[in-house]
Amino acid sequence: EAGVAQSPRYKIIEKRQSVAFWCNPISGHATLYWYQQILGQGPKLLIQFQNNGVVDDSQLPKDRFSAERLKGVDSTLKIQPAKLEDSAVYLCASSLSGPLSYEQYFGPGTRLTVT
Amino acid sequence: GNSVTQMEGPVTLSEEAFLTINCTYTATGYPSLFWYVQYPGEGLQLLLKATKADDKGSNKGFEATYRKETTSFHLEKGSVQVSDSAVYFCALLQGGKLIFGQGTELSVKP
Repeated sequence: EAGVAQSPRYKIIEKRQSVAFWCNPISGHATLYWYQQILGQGPKLLIQFQNNGVVDDSQLPKDRFSAERLKGVDSTLKIQPAKLEDSAVYLCASSLSGPLSYEQYFGPGTRLTVT
Repeated sequence: GNSVTQMEGPVTLSEEAFLTINCTYTATGYPSLFWYVQYPGEGLQLLLKATKADDKGSNKGFEATYRKETTSFHLEKGSVQVSDSAVYFCALLQGGKLIFGQGTELSVKP
């Protein structure tokens, strides 16, 4: 079974530029998550989708971050404009719905460096 | 609010030493508890879990027991190997949301 796919793996941009990350969850997983992991910290949830609807985006900085999951499968997270403090690893995860949904499967992440 | 606190790292051990990584949590109700591991250059992987009080999760020689009375979920392994070198994250799940600790880096020397 293929795991969660993310691209690109690495990205370096200058502040005020924009960037987009892509995630393809495990086939059949209805729930998709985006996390931000700053160096030396645990991952922090940015947004959670159930199919193509947003369940929780309370910690997403909506003035610069946006995410979509138009067809309920793959997802894109965008940052525009980027700030230095956005340097982090962006993790995508997916899970089944229902009683088995406690287990989240993580992708390898995208390491973003903002200079 | 809900939170997870782990012992500070890095932790450096010799091969075959005993490992304990402390984890305590703050939450309302009874969350599910997890340990995730992140090997160098790889993504987060679920190591073990416990969904109710007194449950013991175990995998790859690692164990952790859900202690409601002390709100703890300490990770233990009797004999670590060099291949266990990684960052370990304690996490709780409540309301469909995973909340992670800050991570503890483990380095095992031959």
